[in-house]
This record gives sequence, C-alpha cells and structure tokens, in this order.
Amino acid sequence: AQKITQTQPGMFVQEKEAVTLDCTYDTSDQSYGLFWYKQPSSGEMIFLIYQGSYDEQNATEGRYSLNFQKARKSANLVISASQLGDSAMYFCAMRAKTTSGTYKYIFGTGTRLKVLA
Amino acid sequence: DARVTQTPRHKVTEMGQEVTMRCQPILGHNTVFWYRQTMMQGLELLAYFRNRAPLDDSGMPKDRFSAEMPDATLATLKIQPSEPRDSAVYFCASGLWRQGPDTQYFGPGTRLTVL
Repeated sequence: AQKITQTQPGMFVQEKEAVTLDCTYDTSDQSYGLFWYKQPSSGEMIFLIYQGSYDEQNATEGRYSLNFQKARKSANLVISASQLGDSAMYFCAMRAKTTSGTYKYIFGTGTRLKVLA
Repeated sequence: DARVTQTPRHKVTEMGQEVTMRCQPILGHNTVFWYRQTMMQGLELLAYFRNRAPLDDSGMPKDRFSAEMPDATLATLKIQPSEPRDSAVYFCASGLWRQGPDTQYFGPGTRLTVL
C-alpha cells in the first residue's frame, strides 16, 4: 500500500539551529515524487521542496534541503538556521501511480515544529 | 502575485442542507485538486481534474459529494445533503501538470461546519 509516515508529532528547535523532520514512504512504483509543505497557524499550505525518484542529487531550496535515501525510502526535510517564522506544521507528501494509471497524492500526518527564541 | 481563491472562506450550515464550495485556480494551471483536512484523518485527496476532465475522484464519497469544472476558471465541490461528519477545512489547489515537480498551489481553504 502507498503510505507516508511521519513519526514525530512535534519537534522543538532552538533559533538558528538546524532541524531534521523525518519522513518515510512506501510505494511499489518506480517513478514517484516527494514533496514537503508547510502549514502555518493561519492555515494555508505552502510548497517547500520537491524530490523526484530519479533525481540523483538531493533537492535544495534556500534553507530547505531534502535528504533523500531511496534504499531506506526516506525523504527527510532539513531546515538550516531555523527562524521563529519556521514554527508551523510540516507535511510530507508523495505522488505515485495507482494500479489504474492515475496519480495518487498522499500526505503524512504532519510534524508540528516549534522554534524557540 | 497569482493565488488560488476559494469561496466562501467559512460556512456554517445545518445537516441536510446543500453546500457548494468554489475555487478559482491560478490562470494557466491545468490541474485542480480538492482536499479535505480534519484532525482525525489529516489531509485527504478527494478528487482532481486535468484540463477540466476528472481524473480521480476515488477519495470522494460518491453518494453525497460531487466535483465539477464548468470552465477553466472555476471548480466546484458540492455536498448534498451535508452531514456533521463533513465538517472540515476543504482546500483547493491548482498546478501545472508535468512529470517533474508539479507543485500544487493551495487556496486558503473553506472551513465548513455542519451542525
């Protein structure tokens, strides 16, 4: 079954420190995409970073990087130099093909990150 | 700054009533998604369209939910009749489909409360 697992319901990090949010996935599809979204308390969902299953390099977007370990089926998000504005809920998501050929977008349960001053 | 817009932002209704939520995707985007977010179930994909054609609505309760795209600038999600368990935040997202990073841009959501 296709699934995203985020095992950390909540995390704390000191301002200016780096933090890693864990994400593992399960799919039998060879071609898939992995995404991270941020949801601040205001409720909107903000795209952060994308990693394709065939991408050999880890994706980076500013202070965000995705630690992609294909053999372990993990796609952890690393936030460097945390800022107070990073406090939010973070969702890992996957796009994978279904048996019928359409695409499924599956989200994890999220990790709530709190950045401490 | 192009954004996905959703109306209404909040809706309170009574059980049994029809609810229609609207979404205006970003101009030029050819893919539209409807999601539902609850504390218990998290974020669930209900349906999505590409070039206005429904591609997958397997996440949607078919007996009461329906999703349409009357034109490229409007997507609707209808619940008839509504039930208290439908209370949730409903997000619309749009994107430009390609094999790579088909980033989805989310709207602000419609918070639905069914009494």
